[in-house]
Amino acid sequence: DQQVKQNSPSLSVQEGRISILNCDYTNSMFDYFLWYKKYPAEGPTFLISISSIKDKNEDGRFTVFLNKSAKHLSLHIVPSQPGDSAVYFCAAIVSNSGYALNFGKGTSLLVTP
Amino acid sequence: DTGVSQDPRHKITKRGQNVTFRCDPISEHNRLYWYRQTLGQGPEFLTYFQNEAQLEKSRLLSDRFSAERPKGSFSTLEIQRTEQGDSAMYLCASTRAGAPEAFFGQGTRLTVV
Repeated sequence: DQQVKQNSPSLSVQEGRISILNCDYTNSMFDYFLWYKKYPAEGPTFLISISSIKDKNEDGRFTVFLNKSAKHLSLHIVPSQPGDSAVYFCAAIVSNSGYALNFGKGTSLLVTP
Repeated sequence: DTGVSQDPRHKITKRGQNVTFRCDPISEHNRLYWYRQTLGQGPEFLTYFQNEAQLEKSRLLSDRFSAERPKGSFSTLEIQRTEQGDSAMYLCASTRAGAPEAFFGQGTRLTVV
């Protein structure tokens, strides 16, 4: 049962524009959310996270928004760069259960020049 | 390099053989996790250790799989009597105490022929 869903398998954006990657979850016990970036043949790299007590967290070009009532979060990348082309995974945890990550299936982002 | 290290990077084995993978976490991290990723899916949690204690196992971890972390440092994941369905990327990650952000190794790609 997929508790974290990324419904867009792929996204193409022009360099300099905003990339918006979406993620939905079903388990209301999730209280911490993370985004990872993955290049082929490498492990995921941590990007940014947000606690359920917040609705926004920003780090440079990356901003994560959380809408708890809708069980929805999104990652905004502004401005997008060709080096951002990768697969992006949304993950969620229940903090008091060992921090095991529940991942979505990922969204493949392509940033074109 | 002080990141998470996994060995080997690639392993090809015949069906029915046993294989063992090693993970060296970031040295000050006390939690270590194993995940498995198949094509088109996000990583799936297998098991985790806090120091040398194995605290949680996923139902994905059949009785052919065993993991150890004997001295609370490196960990091994063994798969006995491999099957073609075991072909996947096996990822190791570690976290500091109280911090949910997991840092991943580059993974071991297993191919069972």
